[in-house]
Amino acid sequence: AQTVTQSQPEMSVQEAETVTLSCTYDTSESDYYLFWYKQPPSRQMILVIRQEAYKQQNATENRFSVNFQKAAKSFSLKISDSQLGDAAMYFCAYCPNFGNEKLTFGTGTRLTIIP
Amino acid sequence: NAGVTQTPKFRVLKTGQSMTLLCAQDMNHEYMYWYRQDPGMGLRLIHYSVGEGTTAKGEVPDGYNVSRLKKQNFLLGLESAAPSQTSVYFCASSYPPTSGRARPTGELFFGEGSRLTVL
Repeated sequence: AQTVTQSQPEMSVQEAETVTLSCTYDTSESDYYLFWYKQPPSRQMILVIRQEAYKQQNATENRFSVNFQKAAKSFSLKISDSQLGDAAMYFCAYCPNFGNEKLTFGTGTRLTIIP
Repeated sequence: NAGVTQTPKFRVLKTGQSMTLLCAQDMNHEYMYWYRQDPGMGLRLIHYSVGEGTTAKGEVPDGYNVSRLKKQNFLLGLESAAPSQTSVYFCASSYPPTSGRARPTGELFFGEGSRLTVL
């Protein structure tokens, strides 16, 4: 079974600074997707960024980018120019390319933004 | 556009009582899921459905039942609630690959969550 590990239960960053959230995963598959989801205090889960395992290029979405290291099974999220609205729980998730889109989530990292 | 709607948002039960959580989506999605979220454990999949009339077990299915009689609705039932089922429950939906080589998108659309407390 696949597992997703987020070793940082809490992180904090000064507003406008850069922070990196870590994620590792374990799988025997070669074709899969990785995701970062954001859960603000409203509890609504929001997709932040997606990475396809067969693509070597790291995904970016505005201030959010990932460092995908397939051999090391590592998938970190970098948030640049942190804003107060970035404060949330961030979940790393894995999805095999089987077609049923069953995501396995990590335990989450709570990010605090310091004004 | 409502998206994914869960009812009720909050509920308090006594041990042994039964209840049903309703999830409704208006996006014509084929796939629907029920997750539970507990502190320090992330989201864990309870049951899921890949189409009307079909259901399958996820990671933590014990104590729960589900039904998908209509494409837009996915019901989660607790027949005899236990304190271990105190949690926040999330429903989500997604759509299958459209054509060509099957590649999932992985983007789940979530409801706002339902907080259930079992005393």
